[in-house]
Amino acid sequence: VQLVESGGGVVQPGRSLRLSCAASGFTFRSYGMHWVRQAPGKGLEWVAVMSSDGGKKYYADSVKGRFTISRDNYENTLSLEMNSLRAEDTAVYYCAKDFCSGGNCYYFDYWGQGTLVTVSS
Amino acid sequence: EIVMTQSPVTLSVSPGERATLSCRASQSVRSNLAWLQQKPGQAPRLLIYDISTRVTGIPPRFSASGSGTEFTLTISSLQSEDFAVYYCQHYNNWPPTFGPGTKVHFK
Repeated sequence: VQLVESGGGVVQPGRSLRLSCAASGFTFRSYGMHWVRQAPGKGLEWVAVMSSDGGKKYYADSVKGRFTISRDNYENTLSLEMNSLRAEDTAVYYCAKDFCSGGNCYYFDYWGQGTLVTVSS
Repeated sequence: EIVMTQSPVTLSVSPGERATLSCRASQSVRSNLAWLQQKPGQAPRLLIYDISTRVTGIPPRFSASGSGTEFTLTISSLQSEDFAVYYCQHYNNWPPTFGPGTKVHFK
């Protein structure tokens, strides 16, 4: 299993950024996929999930209305569109695979290496 | 939202010693509790789920127990590769939340 995030960088407050996660080594379309973030020197915060078929998506209150999760089960990719970025969104963003096939268990057996998003003027 | 707390914040241990880490939930999470390990510059790694089930490949020196709101991770004989930050995480309901972590470092 391999998860490779990309798209991080430095962005000004209020601007947008799109993260991607390329998945391989497992049947991508069978698993819910998540984004989890970690502010510098801080703990872990769950951000969003999309179900295996893309039919359901849920967000943390801190990003609801600003972030959009999506997936392409043909290209085996997961994305996170982040709008109206704030300084407090600065973090390493990890793509993580749900443990359970078919449903969402909300614990994560594989993680990517993460991509750093810095929101600063 | 369920709030997870962990103690101690840091734990100083010598190789070969036993380490005991605690995790508490603000309300019952039933059996929906996992432990993760994170080394500097690396992504977290799932160690244990459903309170006490080790992920395939995790050595038996890692064990965990607990119920309801009180949980424990024990590392029976610390190896050099075990020095890391350990997080507990509940997945009993939405949203899943993590504890702030316990850093296990070399005495």
